[in-house]
Amino acid sequence: NAGVTQTPKFQVLKTGQSMTLQCAQDMNHNSMYWYRQDPGMGLRLIYYSASEGTTDKGEVPNGYNVSRLNKREFSLRLESAAPSQTSVYFCASSDRGASSYNEQFFGPGTRLTVL
Amino acid sequence: GNSVTQMEGPVTLSEEAFLTINCTYTATGYPSLFWYVQYPGEGLQLLLKATKADDKGSNKGFEATYRKETTSFHLEKGSVQVSDSAVYFCALFLSGGYNKLIFGAGTRLAVHP
Repeated sequence: NAGVTQTPKFQVLKTGQSMTLQCAQDMNHNSMYWYRQDPGMGLRLIYYSASEGTTDKGEVPNGYNVSRLNKREFSLRLESAAPSQTSVYFCASSDRGASSYNEQFFGPGTRLTVL
Repeated sequence: GNSVTQMEGPVTLSEEAFLTINCTYTATGYPSLFWYVQYPGEGLQLLLKATKADDKGSNKGFEATYRKETTSFHLEKGSVQVSDSAVYFCALFLSGGYNKLIFGAGTRLAVHP
């Protein structure tokens, strides 16, 4: 059981380049999330997907797009990278997305630098 | 708005020392509170939780008590080990929203032999 996996682990981009961060989970979870982690700011939610086929904006969605490819996979795309998107990106999943708390399981993160 | 404030790190301790990491929150309702831990090179893991006032969460020797009167959820451990070196995040969840966590900035703990 790998849990939540993310690729790549590290990436350096130039301003204006595009890339897609990949995330997959093998726990048969319905809900998946993308966060960014910046120094002094904790984790902030970018997008989430309550279930296969649905996606919703989180706290900081600007500059990003997501795709819930199937139940296992949830990708995050930067169409035109900017230095402000330099961050560590975490993917997470949880059993179901209702109004009550369900533990979120996190991947190891992708460290992205935009020059 | 809803927010979580943690003490700034890094916190540096010797092995077997007592640990406290302060966490306070601001919330419009009655949140559930959590501590997550991030070991080097890994993702976040749930360490402990408390869902209502006066609840005490505990795990791996760590404890935290949900104090509504002081809006706090301080993390404590009586005797830290080198293996406890990690970043610790306090977080809250408010029901009515969609399973969204609000995190503090994180506190790095370094324990030396």
